[in-house]
Amino acid sequence: DIVMTQSPLSLSVTPGEPASISCRSSQGLLHSNGYHYLDWYLQKPGQSPQLLIHLGSTRASGVPDRFSGGASGTDFTLKISRVEPEDVGVYYCMQTLQTPWTFGQGTKVDLK
Amino acid sequence: QVQLQEAGPGVVKPSETLSLTCNVSGVPIYSYYWNWIRQPPGKGLEWIGNMFFGGSTKYNPSLESRVTIFGDTSKNQVSLNLTSVTAADTAVYYCAKSLSGSLESWGQGTRVTVSS
Repeated sequence: DIVMTQSPLSLSVTPGEPASISCRSSQGLLHSNGYHYLDWYLQKPGQSPQLLIHLGSTRASGVPDRFSGGASGTDFTLKISRVEPEDVGVYYCMQTLQTPWTFGQGTKVDLK
Repeated sequence: QVQLQEAGPGVVKPSETLSLTCNVSGVPIYSYYWNWIRQPPGKGLEWIGNMFFGGSTKYNPSLESRVTIFGDTSKNQVSLNLTSVTAADTAVYYCAKSLSGSLESWGQGTRVTVSS
């Protein structure tokens, strides 16, 4: 199985400030089509997860442009340019290059 | 607008079979992949498996011997059966739609407790 490792596991941020979450895969997620098969999800308190970023860097429909995803080899990053109060929750990365699809442990983001 | 609604028994006895359904509205189930994911209390997410109607099913090897995912186009419904459940299967179970890998739409989840 591909192991996904996130850091940090917990993050306190000041509204309006930037935030960054890292995710490392145990093997490359680059498909022959040139895309990284890496997604980012946000699970807000009491809700189901929602897709933020797919294929490494493509924002899902309706996702604000303060969210961005990047990839370098087996290292992936989710960046929030200016954290808003509604961004609190647990962020997960997930790989879908090969089954079983696997998630990172999650990064809990709250406000200072 | 796609909507997914999971339904299940709430409580299942140890060693019995857990059966869940996901009612899909807004899209036909034969056009997409349908996934089941679970989340034990206070823990992270685990992908259980998926199906493409009339095509392949893929299961997490950790559950493969106990799990079946199948669909019913007449009801536009996807189902999950998990046999021989134990307390470790206590979780919120989600169904989710995908097309090119990403879990684009999720249901609200259904909580399952394994207890005698």
